[in-house]
Amino acid sequence: GEDVEQSLFLSVREGDSSVINCTYTDSSSTYLYWYKQEPGAGLQLLTYIFSNMDMKQDQRLTVLLNKKDKHLSLRIADTQTGDSAIYFCAEDKGFQKLVFGTGTRLLVSP
Amino acid sequence: NAGVTQTPKFQVLKTGQSMTLQCAQDMNHEYMSWYRQDPGMGLRLIHYSVGAGITDQGEVPNGYNVSRSTTEDFPLRLLSAAPSQTSVYFCASSSPGTGKNSPLHFGNGTRLTVT
Repeated sequence: GEDVEQSLFLSVREGDSSVINCTYTDSSSTYLYWYKQEPGAGLQLLTYIFSNMDMKQDQRLTVLLNKKDKHLSLRIADTQTGDSAIYFCAEDKGFQKLVFGTGTRLLVSP
Repeated sequence: NAGVTQTPKFQVLKTGQSMTLQCAQDMNHEYMSWYRQDPGMGLRLIHYSVGAGITDQGEVPNGYNVSRSTTEDFPLRLLSAAPSQTSVYFCASSSPGTGKNSPLHFGNGTRLTVT
């Protein structure tokens, strides 16, 4: 099917690591993205990974890609209360036509 | 630099009414697109454009029309609004390419309610 799936909710304590998981659909997708949405705002690109990579690190963010299982994850180290938001994974179908996951709401408690 | 500007921010329509959601970008981006966001369903692509004069359908195009007469503007028209079109609508733009070199830039959304 066309669904990109994510768990709906994740709750962590400040300072812990957060891991948000995503399964996508198309093994031929070239780029996979992670976006962040804060309340009342549009989506902000956090990071991305090209499909021939297994891992990408960008400051506190680590993206892992398991192409065989079509599984993508986003790890946020030292999670802060400002990281509370909805996180979307998305796969690029070409011409910047993105198929988004359902979003994971991350709640960081002090 | 305003980025992607959407108007209005909020709109309430009665079933059968028509309206146009406006989207403008000042980054000279070639690609523009419209998504709708519904609870538990993420964002779904409605229509997209790869340049002035060129538009194409996305995943959920029914009930919506678009045109792209200029690079800057990409309005979304609802000809006869239905309650199923109650949603938050996001416009996005980007330049050709992929990855972080050409990310999608999103507007702040239009929240539409159809009664």
